[in-house]
Amino acid sequence: NAGVTQTPKFQVLKTGQSMTLQCAQDMNHEYMSWYRQDPGMGLRLIHYSVGAGITDQGEVPNGYNVSRSTTEDFPLRLLSAAPSQTSVYFCASSYQGGPDQPQHFGDGTRLSIL
Amino acid sequence: GENVEQHPSTLSVQEGDSAVIKCTYSDSASNYFPWYKQELGKRPQLIIDIRSNVGEKKDQRIAVTLNKTAKHFSLHITETQPEDSAVYFCAATNSGAGSYQLTFGKGTKLSVIP
Repeated sequence: NAGVTQTPKFQVLKTGQSMTLQCAQDMNHEYMSWYRQDPGMGLRLIHYSVGAGITDQGEVPNGYNVSRSTTEDFPLRLLSAAPSQTSVYFCASSYQGGPDQPQHFGDGTRLSIL
Repeated sequence: GENVEQHPSTLSVQEGDSAVIKCTYSDSASNYFPWYKQELGKRPQLIIDIRSNVGEKKDQRIAVTLNKTAKHFSLHITETQPEDSAVYFCAATNSGAGSYQLTFGKGTKLSVIP
């Protein structure tokens, strides 16, 4: 199993551009989530999904969209990139439809917005 | 929503000494408390977790204690080694009441001095 795969690993955008961060898992996990990590701020939840077709907002959802058309994939879309969205983004998944199980993280995407 | 506070933000110990990191949470209904270790430039990885029906859990040199009355839980690392140097995050969630969000503390940077 590859686990949780995130692409790209690094990305530089200009303000106002849009892009999609990809996340895929091959463990048949129901629960998937996106976090952003900023220095001194820990991991903050952006969006999550408890299963295919179901998504909901986390703590910091503004400026981001998600969809979950399949169990395997959970892409994160930046609609109009802003410098405040410069961060490291982590995707995570767990077996059951909730976060009360060990979370498997991807390697992260380092995103810089100029 | 849940709020998790973590202390200290940085911790330096001599190799072989013990390290203790403490977290408090706000939602008395929270029932799952994991700890993650993140080495520099790497993904967070689960090191130990505890559920609300247990007061203490140990795994070799690592232990976690939970005080539900005081709403705090702690990570204890004994006989620290240089490879324990990393950032440690606590987290909490209340999965039983339909909450699907895992809330993280801001992290503790542990440095083990050889």
